[in-house]
Amino acid sequence: DVKVTQSSRYLVKRTGEKVFLECVQDMDHENMFWYRQDPGLGLRLIYFSYDVKMKEKGDIPEGYSVSREKKERFSLILESASTNQTSMYLCASSPDRGSYNEQFFGPGTRLTVL
Amino acid sequence: GQQVMQIPQYQHVQEGEDFTTYCNSSTTLSNIQWYKQRPGGHPVFLIQLVKSGEVKKQKRLTFQFGEAKKNSSLHITATQTTDVGTYFCAGHTGNQFYFGTGTSLTVIP
Repeated sequence: DVKVTQSSRYLVKRTGEKVFLECVQDMDHENMFWYRQDPGLGLRLIYFSYDVKMKEKGDIPEGYSVSREKKERFSLILESASTNQTSMYLCASSPDRGSYNEQFFGPGTRLTVL
Repeated sequence: GQQVMQIPQYQHVQEGEDFTTYCNSSTTLSNIQWYKQRPGGHPVFLIQLVKSGEVKKQKRLTFQFGEAKKNSSLHITATQTTDVGTYFCAGHTGNQFYFGTGTSLTVIP
């Protein structure tokens, strides 16, 4: 059974803080994704990685960066958090390198920026 | 802007009624996936369609991919309370991957 875990379920930060969201998958998947989910907007792709140290911008990369130093771990970084980054953040992984096939999601991190 | 739109945004049905959600893309899709997200949960993959005109069934769920590969639908026959949740389509086009806006289904017992 694929397991994708995220470091926190809930997180509260202040405007201007640097925020790290961590995601780990245990099935040796090639691809990892970061999404944010907002009511009425569905899921929007922030960044995608198909290999260690590789990253591709998604639909809304502005204000975010990512790091993938190890295959199983994909971090999302908010360099200077802002209130409009309050959202649910979902990490996902999928097995086939470079493809968007079946994705397995983590439980999500609900981030509130005050 | 949003590349994949879903309608309706919300749907309330009596238990036993049918339900359909529609997904429309402004561009031709390589494939379409469907996910279900239970309240408080995370999206869970249901199915992927690849071929033009493809129809797949999973028990009471029927998935269709349009002939032009720009639209898709999910139909649930005789809804049950366990069907409650938000259903998302997701499409791959070129190097981009877009989730639809989702349809939230409420089933009234």
